[in-house]
Amino acid sequence: EAQVTQNPRYLITVTGKKLTVTCSQNMNHEYMSWYRQDPGLGLRQIYYSMNVEVTDKGDVPEGYKVSRKEKRNFPLILESPSPNQTSLYFCASSLSTGNQPQHFGDGTRLSIL
Amino acid sequence: AQSVTQPDIHITVSEGASLELRCNYSYGATPYLFWYVQSPGQGLQLLLKYFSGDTLVQGIKGFEAEFKRSQSSFNLRKPSVHWSDAAEYFCAVGVRYQLIWGAGTKLIIKP
Repeated sequence: EAQVTQNPRYLITVTGKKLTVTCSQNMNHEYMSWYRQDPGLGLRQIYYSMNVEVTDKGDVPEGYKVSRKEKRNFPLILESPSPNQTSLYFCASSLSTGNQPQHFGDGTRLSIL
Repeated sequence: AQSVTQPDIHITVSEGASLELRCNYSYGATPYLFWYVQSPGQGLQLLLKYFSGDTLVQGIKGFEAEFKRSQSSFNLRKPSVHWSDAAEYFCAVGVRYQLIWGAGTKLIIKP
């Protein structure tokens, strides 16, 4: 089954404790992206990747890092999380470019205390 | 700058009634246009897309949308809603390397 898998689904942690949210897709997609969703703001793109070893900033990259060492994986790293990063996070992938239909994971709800 | 506006934060519709959700965009060229649905606790699912050609596009779950270039709109419609359609709906515009998203419209279904 074609899917984008995120882990964990829920995480409560404390300020400053490094965390990683994993994302994996099994569709051999070239493009992957991370979004955060906050009430009333829709989805805002954090980072995206056009292919292996190619990443670029989205609209709200501050406080986040990503890597794309393999085509299927695109982890999101919060090196020193802060409460304003409490949000619902989605990973997505598409076949080639970001303006194509994107497949979404089920989301990760992060709470930073 | 590109932007997407969904003017209605919430819409309440009776079960069996028709539905129209509005979406307006600002972009210099004809963009790729999408509607996604997000059910509670779930990710986003693509309902339909417009790339070119026929301006009335059909999607899944009985939804359709019409692209009107003159109005920069891409409104989503359904002739008769079901309780299972209660969800949040997002309009998005594809520009180069990313999707630009509207803030979403929450659909509430009255029994």
